[in-house]
Amino acid sequence: NAGVMQNPRHLVRRRGQEARLRCSPMKGHSHVYWYRQLPEEGLKFMVYLQKENIIDESGMPKERFSAEFPKEGPSILRIQQVVRGDSAAYFCASSPRTVDEKLFFGSGTQLSVL
Amino acid sequence: AQTVTQSQPEMSVQEAETVTLSCTYDTSENNYYLFWYKQPPSRQMILVIRQEAYKQQNATENRFSVNFQKAAKSFSLKISDSQLGDTAMYFCAFGAENNAGNMLTFGGGTRLMVKP
Repeated sequence: NAGVMQNPRHLVRRRGQEARLRCSPMKGHSHVYWYRQLPEEGLKFMVYLQKENIIDESGMPKERFSAEFPKEGPSILRIQQVVRGDSAAYFCASSPRTVDEKLFFGSGTQLSVL
Repeated sequence: AQTVTQSQPEMSVQEAETVTLSCTYDTSENNYYLFWYKQPPSRQMILVIRQEAYKQQNATENRFSVNFQKAAKSFSLKISDSQLGDTAMYFCAFGAENNAGNMLTFGGGTRLMVKP
């Protein structure tokens, strides 16, 4: 049973470009979470999705950021018109149910904006 | 809103000795979970130990144990018989049971160095 798969592992973008980060949850998991980790800081919650629905996006910036988890395929975190401050590690986690199930994390995507 | 504070940015310990990492949190929730995650240089987030707030007994996983003081809102991690492979960042995290999901609040981390 493969773990949470994130790709790419490293992504380099120039300012103004778009970044697309992909996450395939563990088999059987229908709950996906995105977290952002700035250098030398802890992870910060961004968005929580179930299949085809955004449940909570309270941690996601209102502009330039969007997330989806379609019926088929991976969850996508999309950042439009990237700026240097978007440089961070972006982690995806999945769980089979809510609340009392532990999260399984992917290895993250390191986004570097030049 | 919850906050999680790790007051020790860096710690070091000699191999085979014991080290304790501190964590305090603030919440108005009564039912919640607390976690310690390990993040080695590979960046993978690895769950070390988990504690339900309603349980009085401190959680233990092999060489890892916690001291959970609910009234003091303290949740420290003790690593016994430290090994070189324990070198990593350690994050304390909080999850409220009445959340609609597993949104965790993380502390800022403690960098642990195990010296040979």
